[in-house]
Amino acid sequence: EAGVAQSPRYKIIEKRQSVAFWCNPISGHATLYWYQQILGQGPKLLIQFQNNGVVDDSQLPKDRFSAERLKGVDSTLKIQPAKLEDSAVYLCASSLDRGGGSTDTQYFGPGTRLTVL
Amino acid sequence: GESVGLHLPTLSVQEGDNSIINCAYSNSASDYFIWYKQESGKGPQFIIDIRSNMDKRQGQRVTVLLNKTVKHLSLQIAATQPGDSAVYFCAEMDSTLTFGKGTMLLVSP
Repeated sequence: EAGVAQSPRYKIIEKRQSVAFWCNPISGHATLYWYQQILGQGPKLLIQFQNNGVVDDSQLPKDRFSAERLKGVDSTLKIQPAKLEDSAVYLCASSLDRGGGSTDTQYFGPGTRLTVL
Repeated sequence: GESVGLHLPTLSVQEGDNSIINCAYSNSASDYFIWYKQESGKGPQFIIDIRSNMDKRQGQRVTVLLNKTVKHLSLQIAATQPGDSAVYFCAEMDSTLTFGKGTMLLVSP
């Protein structure tokens, strides 16, 4: 079974520029998550989708971050404009569950390492 | 790959030793707990989970213990191998998954 795919793996941009990350979850997984992992810390949830609807985006800085999952499969996360403190690894995860708050295992992709100069 | 272990507590063991990694969680309402392993340059990998109605669960070479009274979780790895070297995170689930501070495990041959 193919895992969660993410691209690009690395991205370097200057502050105030825009950047987008892409995620393809495991086939059949209804729920998709975006996490931010700052170096030396655990991942922090940014947004959770169930199919193409948002379940939780309470931790997403909506003034600069946006995410979509239009067809309920792939997802993109965008930052516009980027700040220095956005430097982190952005992880995508997916789980099989079809109900919010379910305890199905989350499977993580390899992440995209963003460096903002 | 870059390290995810900067400024993390570190446990150093010899190959063949048993390892115990501890975690304190904060939310009394959490009812599901997971241990993840994260190698440098990779995403977290599921190791083992436990629900709040249990206090112990065993897998292959790994055991998770849950003490709800003191909100403490531990991961025991038997016969630790160099391939076990990684950062280990506990995570608790209420409505969302919240990760704790990681612990770096270094296994010497």
